[in-house]
Amino acid sequence: NAGVMQNPRHLVRRRGQEARLRCSPMKGHSHVYWYRQLPEEGLKFMVYLQKENIIDESGMPKERFSAEFPKEGPSILRIQQVVRGDSAAYFCASSPDGLAGARDTQYFGPGTRLTVL
Amino acid sequence: QKEVEQNSGPLSVPEGAIASLNCTYSDRGSQSFFWYRQYSGKSPELIMFIYSNGDKEDGRFTAQLNKASQYVSLLIRDSQPSDSATYLCAVNGGKEGTYKYIFGTGTRLKVLA
Repeated sequence: NAGVMQNPRHLVRRRGQEARLRCSPMKGHSHVYWYRQLPEEGLKFMVYLQKENIIDESGMPKERFSAEFPKEGPSILRIQQVVRGDSAAYFCASSPDGLAGARDTQYFGPGTRLTVL
Repeated sequence: QKEVEQNSGPLSVPEGAIASLNCTYSDRGSQSFFWYRQYSGKSPELIMFIYSNGDKEDGRFTAQLNKASQYVSLLIRDSQPSDSATYLCAVNGGKEGTYKYIFGTGTRLKVLA
């Protein structure tokens, strides 16, 4: 049973370019979460999505960041006009269907390490 | 006050000893508590979760929860050098909602051979 998949694993962008990060949840999971981890810091929640719906994007910066989880295909976190401060590890997690709630366990993907030059 | 606090360490223990990792949280309404292990440059890996007061054991790991004191801990018995990693405490189910994990900054554990 494949785990959460993310690609690319490493992404280098120049300031002003767009970064597009992809996440495929575990089989049977339809809840997707994105977290950001800055160097020497804990993971910070960004957004929670279900298929075709953004449930909570309270952790997303108001500008330049967007996320989607289409009916078909992976979830995508898009960062437009990247700046050096966007350099971080971006982790996607997924949780099983039918168990949404406080006892839901989230399983993390390998992450995408974004470097902005 | 941070929502989830952990001592950043490093916590150094000799091989074979018990490592004790602690975490406090500020939201009294929190319902679920998770411990993740993260090796340098890798993703968080779930070790244990606990929902009820008391102890929960899984192999060499024991999670302890005390909701009255807003305190959760992880004990690692017979520590091995391969346990050297950063341990992240995560909490959810409080005012932030039932799905948003609030993470501490992690405690770095070093097990000395």
